Amino acid sequence: EPEVTQTPSHQVTQMGQEVILRCVPISNHLYFYWYRQILGQKVEFLVSFYNNEISEKSEIFDDQFSVERPDGSNFTLKIRSTKLEDSAMYFCASSTGTRYTFGSGTRLTVV
Amino acid sequence: GESVGLHLPTLSVQEGDNSIINCAYSNSASDYFIWYKQESGKGPQFIIDIRSNMDKRQGQRVTVLLNKTVKHLSLQIAATQPGDSAVYFCAETPYQAGTALIFGKGTTLSVSS
Repeated sequence: EPEVTQTPSHQVTQMGQEVILRCVPISNHLYFYWYRQILGQKVEFLVSFYNNEISEKSEIFDDQFSVERPDGSNFTLKIRSTKLEDSAMYFCASSTGTRYTFGSGTRLTVV
Repeated sequence: GESVGLHLPTLSVQEGDNSIINCAYSNSASDYFIWYKQESGKGPQFIIDIRSNMDKRQGQRVTVLLNKTVKHLSLQIAATQPGDSAVYFCAETPYQAGTALIFGKGTTLSVSS
């Protein structure tokens, strides 16, 4: 079964540093998403991306965040200047329409 | 089996029991609902979905019930197995391609043998 692949599985970074989380969505999917999950809490929507532009974003997705699809296969989430509260699991997802497939996540730890 | 009327963060059952996990959703505009299972260190995995024009849908060992009047969703797992131990989340969205999923609070299901 096709999978959404995320790298790295775990990233440790110092506060104030930039991080880029990478995702390879399922190849025939058209919609791409980033979600995050702070430890022990529910999964929260960050942003959706379609046709090379952001289609929807939450209030969490402020100016520190950006997304990009640099080539035909990768989908990235950049956090420009990480804060301690950015520590969370970040999940990438993709869909053709309403059936979403999630990756296994990147655990981001900001120290 | 175990029955939960309100959302509880944890549910412990014996192997072979039936489990019921509840979820309240918030947005009256939502018309598509999904249950996900999340195992430790993994992303949410699709279990079953239901659209608002239905009130019940069955899968293999799982049933989802939707009560639109009180905005309540439940997941029933028949003959619960140790492999069912995980965190279960409901999610809601308008039935439109590309829209955000809004997740509910999870329920941690623990199955003992």
